[in-house]
Amino acid sequence: GAVVSQHPSRVICKSGTSVKIECRSLDFQATTMFWYRQFPKQSLMLMATSNEGSKATYEQGVEKDKFLINHASLTLSTLTVTSAHPEDSSFYICSARDPSKGRDYEQYFGPGTRLTVT
Amino acid sequence: DAKTTQPTSMDCAEGRAANLPCNHSTISGNEYVYWYRQIHSQGPQYIIHGLKNNETNEMASLIITEDRKSSTLILPHATLRDTAVYYCIAAVGSARQLTFGSGTQLTVLP
Repeated sequence: GAVVSQHPSRVICKSGTSVKIECRSLDFQATTMFWYRQFPKQSLMLMATSNEGSKATYEQGVEKDKFLINHASLTLSTLTVTSAHPEDSSFYICSARDPSKGRDYEQYFGPGTRLTVT
Repeated sequence: DAKTTQPTSMDCAEGRAANLPCNHSTISGNEYVYWYRQIHSQGPQYIIHGLKNNETNEMASLIITEDRKSSTLILPHATLRDTAVYYCIAAVGSARQLTFGSGTQLTVLP
């Protein structure tokens, strides 16, 4: 199946700093990528939908100025958590579709990034 | 997307079939039933999906009732590596974002 990678896998940052998380589709071009957040013992919550070459669409309650999403190429989307606070500590997961294969029913998920804000 | 209801947790003996139920009584005609699973601290993994007919692939089988109000995911010979949270999702297509519910924590016991 298609492979999606995320970098870094873990990051610890101090409160008030910004951190960037990368999501890459390694062997396919992804016109659409999704960003999810998962708190401990909870389910995944969609944060935003990222479309290549256009502005991301954010879910209700997600601050677009705090969670900056850039989808500058067909293989890379980035999520920047700006002015991070301890409550932003979470597991961030991206996913992507590979429309070229005709398997548009399947989303490929990255391995996730564990963010800890101290 | 239609709401789905799953048991919070289930246990299964290693080597036995694991049958995971899901209720989706308000599913609409153009919504598929998708199953994903998430092993601890990893990203979710697609398992299978179906619309009306039963489906089988190398990982699992999906049985959908005739009225489409419920379905069952079957792992025919569960292994310890199948221990994960299993999510049943009703959606028009994965082209759209997926709405994850609470899922079922399946624990395969040795």
